[in-house]
Amino acid sequence: QVQLQESGPGLLKPSQTLSLTCSVSGGSVSSAGYYWTWIRQHPGKGLEWIGYIYYSEKTYYNPSLKSRVTISLDTSKNQFSLELTSVTAADTAVYYCTRGSEVVAASYDFWGQGTLVTVSS
Amino acid sequence: DIVMTQSPLSLPVTPGEPASISCRSNQSLLHSSGYNYLDWYLQKPGKSPQLLIYLGSNRASGVPDRFSGSGSGTDFTLKISRVEAEDVGIYYCMQGLQTLRTFGQGTMVEIK
Repeated sequence: QVQLQESGPGLLKPSQTLSLTCSVSGGSVSSAGYYWTWIRQHPGKGLEWIGYIYYSEKTYYNPSLKSRVTISLDTSKNQFSLELTSVTAADTAVYYCTRGSEVVAASYDFWGQGTLVTVSS
Repeated sequence: DIVMTQSPLSLPVTPGEPASISCRSNQSLLHSSGYNYLDWYLQKPGKSPQLLIYLGSNRASGVPDRFSGSGSGTDFTLKISRVEAEDVGIYYCMQGLQTLRTFGQGTMVEIK
């Protein structure tokens, strides 16, 4: 069974950089056919897609965040990471790491439990 | 961006009764392959979303057969044939046609 687990600081000040890591077990981030994706949920709101990194390390980001986002892969640790620079209160959200699988047409079949990141001075 | 619109936004249900949620997109989700790139997810209270339906009508692994998805193009429906107490939560549709995935606002299903 694939499991994903987010980790990283839960509290940031405005202008700092958000850095989160997703540790993957039960599967390999370097296996073909998977899109390692970050999705966030503002408090009490819906879901916002941030971006993905493919097993080949190709990336795609939400244009609304593209100038501030970097997603990277660490195959040696079987992890992938999210960096979001110059955060503001609008970046306060629960951040989920997920796996998109070509087996289910790139739908998100496994999710982490989510981690709350609060941006406050 | 493809805009996804769900209705209703709130749905009180009675256990044992059927329930239905609508999802509409402002662009067709029908791919040249013949598949509709529309997913349904359920976010139970305090939990992460879980995949219910992909490609419009395919149940994900382990999803009970009381859940079914239908529709094509821009109009889609998620049906629960007989609601159970464990089905409460927020249901989201999501389009997978464009790389930039977009979600509906969510439909909160609660027991009457």
